[in-house]
Amino acid sequence: GDSVTQMEGPVTLSEEACLTINCTYTATGYPSLFWYVQYPGEGLQLLLKATKADDKGSNKGFEATYRKETTSFHLEKGSVQVSDSAVYFCALSGGDYKLSFGAGTTVTVRA
Amino acid sequence: EAQVTQNPRYLITVTGKKLTVTCSQNMNHEYMSWYRQDPGLGLRQIYYSMNVEVTDKGDVPEGYKVSRKEKRNFPLILESPSPNQTSLYFCASSLGLAGDLTNTGELFFGEGSRLTVL
Repeated sequence: GDSVTQMEGPVTLSEEACLTINCTYTATGYPSLFWYVQYPGEGLQLLLKATKADDKGSNKGFEATYRKETTSFHLEKGSVQVSDSAVYFCALSGGDYKLSFGAGTTVTVRA
Repeated sequence: EAQVTQNPRYLITVTGKKLTVTCSQNMNHEYMSWYRQDPGLGLRQIYYSMNVEVTDKGDVPEGYKVSRKEKRNFPLILESPSPNQTSLYFCASSLGLAGDLTNTGELFFGEGSRLTVL
């Protein structure tokens, strides 16, 4: 079945550092790919998405490119802030009315 | 305001005492789902519903029941809770998932219900 593997955390960074969270997937067909973010004490919310190969999703300074050849959707941000501290989930939707999530990566940004 | 509302947000209960976690959405979404979140395991789907009176098992349905009598509500029922059901539960809704050309699977989540079973 469809699955998502993302890098384990936790990740601790200083403000203005670069962040990359790796995500790879296994799916039949052509899934849509997502990054969700969970801030402390809150539910998940959509950060960005890409629906086909080579699409780039972007939001709040974060970017991820749908790479079919490497089955990847890595999340990147060039300069993180303390407010980016959260848990980040990679997810895919493969057309079977189900969203499959990775295990989540906890990111802590220190001032 | 568009939202998914879960209740209760926090609950401590004892083994075997039936409980229901309610979920309601005001976005007229057809698709609703329950997930549980556990450390190191991410989110795992318990049950989902594509429309009224249509429900299906997710990855971890054992010990749970759901119903979808109305479009807006999707309660999660634990008939006889056990300690291994101690978890953080999320309800989510969506217009539809991949396959629906008008929507690409964005889920809207509630704030979560933290359940402890002693």
